[in-house]
Amino acid sequence: GQQLNQSPQSMFIQEGEDVSMNCTSSSIFNTWLWYKQDPGEGPVLLIALYKAGELTSNGRLTAQFGITRKDSFLNISASIPSDVGIYFCAGLRHNDMRFGAGTRLTVKP
Amino acid sequence: EAGVAQSPRYKIIEKRQSVAFWCNPISGHATLYWYQQILGQGPKLLIQFQNNGVVDDSQLPKDRFSAERLKGVDSTLKIQPAKLEDSAVYLCASSPLRGPKNIQYFGAGTRLSVL
Repeated sequence: GQQLNQSPQSMFIQEGEDVSMNCTSSSIFNTWLWYKQDPGEGPVLLIALYKAGELTSNGRLTAQFGITRKDSFLNISASIPSDVGIYFCAGLRHNDMRFGAGTRLTVKP
Repeated sequence: EAGVAQSPRYKIIEKRQSVAFWCNPISGHATLYWYQQILGQGPKLLIQFQNNGVVDDSQLPKDRFSAERLKGVDSTLKIQPAKLEDSAVYLCASSPLRGPKNIQYFGAGTRLSVL
């Protein structure tokens, strides 16, 4: 099935820096989701977006549902070492959810 | 509230052997999903159940994979016989509703190594 295009694939940043990652698709989705996966664990939901143009925050995380309904962005401000992990975007349409390949984030103290 | 429970956490088998994974969803969640996550990739849906009925199994390799959710609660996923390319993490997820707010909650997964 179609997967989403997520970028960048990986990021190496210094503690305290801001991070941006995005996800695009050729198809429209009704809901955009951002998950974080730590090693040996399943994905954990960070933010859910339900309307085009919606901007939602969860602590230092901010995500946006693109106007075209074909993309979404996740920003992390003032990164800390525990932000390390793999971030996945997911698009949901008619009970069908597709995932991006993930962005692997490394934070150097 | 207890999360999605999966067992075993790890399994190592030889090719051509059989293996089964178990999942217990969050209490009250009607929808249950099995995903395959190959190293370096996002999860890929294998099968989706609504109560004890199959909603989508279009990406399940039915010649070797099977899944059931007989009583509409817990579920098992079986691979018989296993191939080397089946090495992956098998994730189970559940969700309470259908529609745009049908958020999926994941278990920790079962890591399968086929030698």
